[in-house]
Amino acid sequence: EAGVVQSPRYKIIEKKQPVAFWCNPISGHNTLYWYRQNLGQGPELLIRYENEEAVDDSQLPKDRFSAERLKGVDSTLKIQPAELGDSAVYLCASSLRLRVKIYNEQFFGPGTRLTVL
Amino acid sequence: AQTVTQSQPEMSVQEAETVTLSCTYDTSENNYYLFWYKQPPSRQMILVIRQEAYKQQNATENRFSVNFQKAAKSFSLKISDSQLGDTAMYFCATHAGGTSYGKLTFGQGTILTVHP
Repeated sequence: EAGVVQSPRYKIIEKKQPVAFWCNPISGHNTLYWYRQNLGQGPELLIRYENEEAVDDSQLPKDRFSAERLKGVDSTLKIQPAELGDSAVYLCASSLRLRVKIYNEQFFGPGTRLTVL
Repeated sequence: AQTVTQSQPEMSVQEAETVTLSCTYDTSENNYYLFWYKQPPSRQMILVIRQEAYKQQNATENRFSVNFQKAAKSFSLKISDSQLGDTAMYFCATHAGGTSYGKLTFGQGTILTVHP
């Protein structure tokens, strides 16, 4: 079974430029997460999707960040314009939400390392 | 709100020896989960072990075990017979249901180096 796929693995851009990250979750997983991991820190949730609906985007900086999961499968996270402080690793995770369970394991992708110059 | 604190930025251990990583947490939830994740240089976050808060028995997965002290809100990870492949960043994390469903809260991480 293929894991969570993310691309690109690395991205270097200049500040004020736009950037986009792509994530393809594990087949059949209805829940998708985007996390941001600053250097030397633990990941922090940016947004969670259940199917195509963003059910928790409270931590997403909406002035410059946007995300979509149009068909409830793969997802794109965009930053426009990028700032120096956006340099981080952006992780995508997916899970199969079974409502009878309190927790459903999240499987992580390898992440995209963004460097803003 | 949930918080997770890992007070050991770095740890090292000799191959085949035992090491314990510390974690404390705070949550207002009654039912929650605790996790240890491993993140090697490849950046892939891998689940090492999971503990359900309502279970008193400490979780064990092969060489990995936890010491869960619910009243003290402490959740330490013990790695026995350390191997070179255990070298990685280790994160303690918690998850609660309800309105916080889906949100893993991570600690700052502990860099573990296993020396030959």
